[in-house]
This record gives sequence, structure tokens and C-alpha cells, in this order.
Amino acid sequence: QVQLHESGPGLVKPSETLSLTCSVTGGSLSNYYWSWIRQFPGMGLEWIGYINYSGSNNYNPSLKSRITMSVDTSKNQFSLKMTSVSAADTAVYYCARGPRSGYCTSSSCFHVDYWGQGTLVTVSS
Amino acid sequence: ESVLTQSPGTLSLSPGERATLSCRASQSVSSSYLAWYQQKPGQAPRLLIYGTSNRATGIPDRFSGSGSGTDFTLTISRLEPQDFAVYYCLQYGSSPLFTFGPGTKVDIK
Repeated sequence: QVQLHESGPGLVKPSETLSLTCSVTGGSLSNYYWSWIRQFPGMGLEWIGYINYSGSNNYNPSLKSRITMSVDTSKNQFSLKMTSVSAADTAVYYCARGPRSGYCTSSSCFHVDYWGQGTLVTVSS
Repeated sequence: ESVLTQSPGTLSLSPGERATLSCRASQSVSSSYLAWYQQKPGQAPRLLIYGTSNRATGIPDRFSGSGSGTDFTLTISRLEPQDFAVYYCLQYGSSPLFTFGPGTKVDIK
């Protein structure tokens, strides 16, 4: 059973950089993209971006200028950095598995399946 | 960018009743690209349905999905007490790659 666990500071000051890491157990990073998704206090969900084991990534255009994702296959981890944060970035941040990477056309390819439990990040001075 | 709309915003029903949740896309979506999630307070979303109509592992058969083009439906045939939650649809698209609907809350009448 794949499990994901987010870690990182729960409080970040405005204009600083948010850094989160997701540790994956029960499976390797290969064959999938690994996503970051956030949920705002009003409950809306926003996909931030994804990365795969080789570092290939795709970011939400609305956040692209501020985010960087990286992967550490030796630790089975992937990470998110978001610069110049503001109060509008306050949210629960989830890491998740999906979509599948590589050539994949079946209906099992295009969704997110396993999620971490989420970590609340508050942007405040 | 394709936008998802979910209706109703809140659905008030009693246990044992049938729930019908709608997800509408502003542009046509491949049936392979539409998924549904359930979220309870304090928990991460849980995958229910992928590819419009395929139940995820361990999901009971009272949950079913259907639809095509721009109109998709999640049906819960007989509500159990544990089914009262918020439900989101998700589409795989072009830019951004994933878009979520705003959610439908199913609460106890």
C-alpha cells in the first residue's frame, strides 16, 4: 500500500519561501507523476503541479513563476518550493500520486489516486 | 481552460435515499479524464471513480459514475451514514493539467 507523508514548516512569513517535502513509502517513484495539490480554507482544491522520477514536470500556469519541484529518488521523496508567498497561499497542502507517466492511454492513467494526509501552511508575520 | 461546475452546492437527503450529483465541464472532456472524490472533515480526498465510471479499489457498488461530453453524474444508490461528505469532480485537461470542481456537500436532512 502506497503511503505519502508531507513535512515542512506550518508557518511561513509573507514574501518568504514555502518548502515542503513528500516522503513516499510502499512503492517507488517510477511509473507515475507525483503531484502537489492545495486546499484553501473555503474548501476549493487547486492542482499546483507534478514531477516524475526523472525530473520531468508540469506546473499550473497560474503558479509557474513562483514554484519549483524536485525529486530525490535515493530517499523516495519529492519536494515543492514556492517563493514570494502571501496570505492567499494559506492552505492545506497535499502530495499525491498521479497521473501515470510514460505512454498510457487507458482510463486508469489520468487521475490522482493516493494522497498524503495534508499539512496546513499558514502565511503570516 | 476548461472549468468544472458542480450542482447542487448542497444536497440534503436522508439515509437510504438516492443521491445524484452533477459535474458539468465548459468544454468536452474525454470519458477517460473524469474522476470523482469523497472528502470528509479533516481528511484528504479519497478516490471513488476514475475514467467516468470505474470504481476505485474498495469502493462499494452503491457508488456509480456516468456521463460523457460535458455532463457527468455521480450516483449513490442508497445513502449510508458514512456517505455524508463533500464530493469533488476532477478533470485531466491541457492547461492547467488538472482542474477540480467546487464540490457538492451531501448532508443529512
